[in-house]
Amino acid sequence: GAVVSQHPSWVICKSGTSVKIECRSLDFQATTMFWYRQFPKQSLMLMATSNEGSKATYEQGVEKDKFLINHASLTLSTLTVTSAHPEDSSFYICSARPTSGRASGELFFGEGSRLTVL
Amino acid sequence: AQTVTQSQPEMSVQEAETVTLSCTYDTSENNYYLFWYKQPPSRQMILVIRQEAYKQQNATENRFSVNFQKAAKSFSLKISDSQLGDTAMYFCAFTYSNYQLIWGAGTKLIIKP
Repeated sequence: GAVVSQHPSWVICKSGTSVKIECRSLDFQATTMFWYRQFPKQSLMLMATSNEGSKATYEQGVEKDKFLINHASLTLSTLTVTSAHPEDSSFYICSARPTSGRASGELFFGEGSRLTVL
Repeated sequence: AQTVTQSQPEMSVQEAETVTLSCTYDTSENNYYLFWYKQPPSRQMILVIRQEAYKQQNATENRFSVNFQKAAKSFSLKISDSQLGDTAMYFCAFTYSNYQLIWGAGTKLIIKP
């Protein structure tokens, strides 16, 4: 199956610093990637849709200046949490939609990144 | 508005038993996809099974099968001969044209030895 890799899987940072999370599709090209946030024992909350070569589309209530998304290539999207605060601590998950050659409607998920802001 | 409802927050069965997880959804779309994802303690989301709405035949993947009732907007997952490794959160999800998944709240499934 298709592989999506997220890095880092676990990061601890000080309040006020910025953290970058990478999402890579290893064996396919992805025009579209999605970024989710998951709180403990809850479902995934879609934060934004990342489109290669264009600006990300953010869901209502998600601060675009706080959560910077860059999708510079067909295999890489990054999420940068700027000036992180303890309330940003969460589990962040990305998913990628293959551009072609795969079952329609299927998304592939990264392993997730646990962010802890002290 | 599109919604996905999982009415069972938690279920527990003995190993080797069969368990059914329920999912209902609401949409005005006619062509869409339904999924069951598994999230084990490792937290990576794993696709269990998918169903295209235009297909009447229920999808099956080894021990996993679905009962898709389009008119009733119901999409339940049946796990046969359950195994300890099936212990996980199970999410029902739906998408139509833009691949943005709409998620249910999840069902925590515990398989007891």
